Amino acid sequence: EADIYQTPRYLVIGTGKKITLECSQTMGHDKMYWYQQDPGMELHLIHYSYGVNSTEKGDLSSESTVSRIRTEHFPLTLESARPSHTSQYLCASSYTGGVREQYFGPGTRLTVT
Amino acid sequence: AQTVTQSQPEMSVQEAETVTLSCTYDTSENNYYLFWYKQPPSRQMILVIRQEAYKQQNATENRFSVNFQKAAKSFSLKISDSQLGDTAMYFCALMDSNYQLIWGAGTKLIIKP
Repeated sequence: EADIYQTPRYLVIGTGKKITLECSQTMGHDKMYWYQQDPGMELHLIHYSYGVNSTEKGDLSSESTVSRIRTEHFPLTLESARPSHTSQYLCASSYTGGVREQYFGPGTRLTVT
Repeated sequence: AQTVTQSQPEMSVQEAETVTLSCTYDTSENNYYLFWYKQPPSRQMILVIRQEAYKQQNATENRFSVNFQKAAKSFSLKISDSQLGDTAMYFCALMDSNYQLIWGAGTKLIIKP
């Protein structure tokens, strides 16, 4: 399995709370991604980073923010959680060149009540 | 705009049978990569097989093979001797020159004992 980790795996939280979803990889990959996925549905890119201090928004509008201060770490923050944020969040990484495969973490399943 | 279409929302076959999942795509780029990913129930997304567009030979990985028709923009996945562990969502994805994946809606594959 790929060396990419996400914590927590499951989170139930009340509306209005601030949350941070953690993602770390030990493969030295320069590129990292956050996807949002509802159960059994396609993936939507919400943020990506092509290196330290580089972050961009993806195709799906999101109220979350990300940071990339270290190569291996790419946390996602929701300042004020809402029920509409209930979903699964997948983190992935890849490196420039090579076979371009994206490696995925196990995901965080978020429920906002 | 680049698109990936999976026209089969759900399929089911008996164990040991062969099954083919369909995927068509559209892109104006000449150099790109195509992937099939597998997402078992409540488990991590993993790569099944990849195909570089510049390679004419179809990729194979053990029981998994693709039929890549570049002119028709078709990229189907064949699973031979299907096993219960093949039960999963299967996603077809196209990687563009910006290293971003464009995802299909997925096909839910059920292998029956």
